Amino acid sequence: QKEVEQDPGPLSVPEGAIVSLNCTYSNSAFQYFMWYRQYSRKGPELLMYTYSSGNKEDGRFTAQVDKSSKYISLFIRDSQPSDSATYLCAMSVVKLIFGTGTRLQVFP
Amino acid sequence: NAGVTQTPKFQVLKTGQSMTLQCAQDMNHNSMYWYRQDPGMGLRLIYYSASEGTTDKGEVPNGYNVSRLNKREFSLRLESAAPSQTSVYFCASEPGQAPEAFFGQGTRLTVV
Repeated sequence: QKEVEQDPGPLSVPEGAIVSLNCTYSNSAFQYFMWYRQYSRKGPELLMYTYSSGNKEDGRFTAQVDKSSKYISLFIRDSQPSDSATYLCAMSVVKLIFGTGTRLQVFP
Repeated sequence: NAGVTQTPKFQVLKTGQSMTLQCAQDMNHNSMYWYRQDPGMGLRLIYYSASEGTTDKGEVPNGYNVSRLNKREFSLRLESAAPSQTSVYFCASEPGQAPEAFFGQGTRLTVV
């Protein structure tokens, strides 16, 4: 079993939709939970991170962590075509471990 | 404002050849990583270095070696390339105090 599981998609939504991306994990020692965005043929870029459980909001993006269920989510409100990318969850305690990534397509 | 620089950007190797992928960061970060990215597999950790002078294996270390030459540089060596090592390789660095990893642009390696 992989330490971090993520549905690879693809996920296709219309512009303006609310997008929900999710990951599950098995290592209860993970302390930091991150979401990265990767455009085609580019390196990943950090969107946001949370420490331990709870919510964090940054503009149209909201990250949630539920450590009791070992489940994290990223919500994108009012999605835009420019949000089309692959979204990777990542977690760390000493080293940084990534999920497989979910490819998101937002069509006009 | 270079960030993380990887060289080369593209490389084609023949089976059995060796090569070194170079990575340098100018942000004074403690931690550095090497990942490979394959379709449907996400980013898989090959090796990481939590600080200068230390290296540790990740999920897929077989067939690779690394050197943390100094705080800035972390190289990845393929001693005898195999077609299974065809992939996109990413180097990343992280301050150590906060989990904000910065990635290079990647090296696209094809082994024929």
